[in-house]
Amino acid sequence: EDQVTQSPEALRLQEGESSSLNCSYTVSGLRGLFWYRQDPGKGPEFLFTLYSAGEEKEKERLKATLTKKESFLHITAPKPEDSATYLCAVSYGNNRLAFGKGNQVVVIP
Amino acid sequence: DAGITQSPRHKVTETGTPVTLRCHQTENHRYMYWYRQDPGHGLRLIHYSYGVKDTDKGEVSDGYSVSRSKTEDFLLTLESATSSQTSVYFCAISEVDRSFQYFGAGTRLSVL
Repeated sequence: EDQVTQSPEALRLQEGESSSLNCSYTVSGLRGLFWYRQDPGKGPEFLFTLYSAGEEKEKERLKATLTKKESFLHITAPKPEDSATYLCAVSYGNNRLAFGKGNQVVVIP
Repeated sequence: DAGITQSPRHKVTETGTPVTLRCHQTENHRYMYWYRQDPGHGLRLIHYSYGVKDTDKGEVSDGYSVSRSKTEDFLLTLESATSSQTSVYFCAISEVDRSFQYFGAGTRLSVL
């Protein structure tokens, strides 16, 4: 059973069309939730860390939120350069870290 | 890539040969990790290190070994490469264990 599930797997957006990505987790003892951006052929690039329910972080057109069982990455008025795969990871329990499979986002001009 | 260099960036090898991948950091971070990334799977931890000569297994460690003789270098060795080890390998570093990590650019390995 996957401990971290990201949905939708793939998303095509028109430029300017806002949307949200979901990361749900089933682990207990959450120590932190991380969002990364990964471009083709490159390593993941760190975006945000969230530690407790209710916490929010923003960076340009991206906003990450956290509840007790899921996190959302909101993309507001996306541009083509926001096209990437977004990865979610959770740190939990006794020094464990689990990654989701990613949300592949394509923004069409 | 936050002072992380992986080498080589691409490698093609034959089944049964040993392969060593290198990760070099200039950030002086204590923790270093090796992951593999495959289609249909999230990043999966192979091995990690919490200090010089201190290493431990991750969730997919079979067929891999690691060594860390200096803070800045973490080596991943495939003792006898198999086709199932064809993958993209990423090195990552962090200041705090299992906290947010900085990733290298990756090594694409093909085992024929």
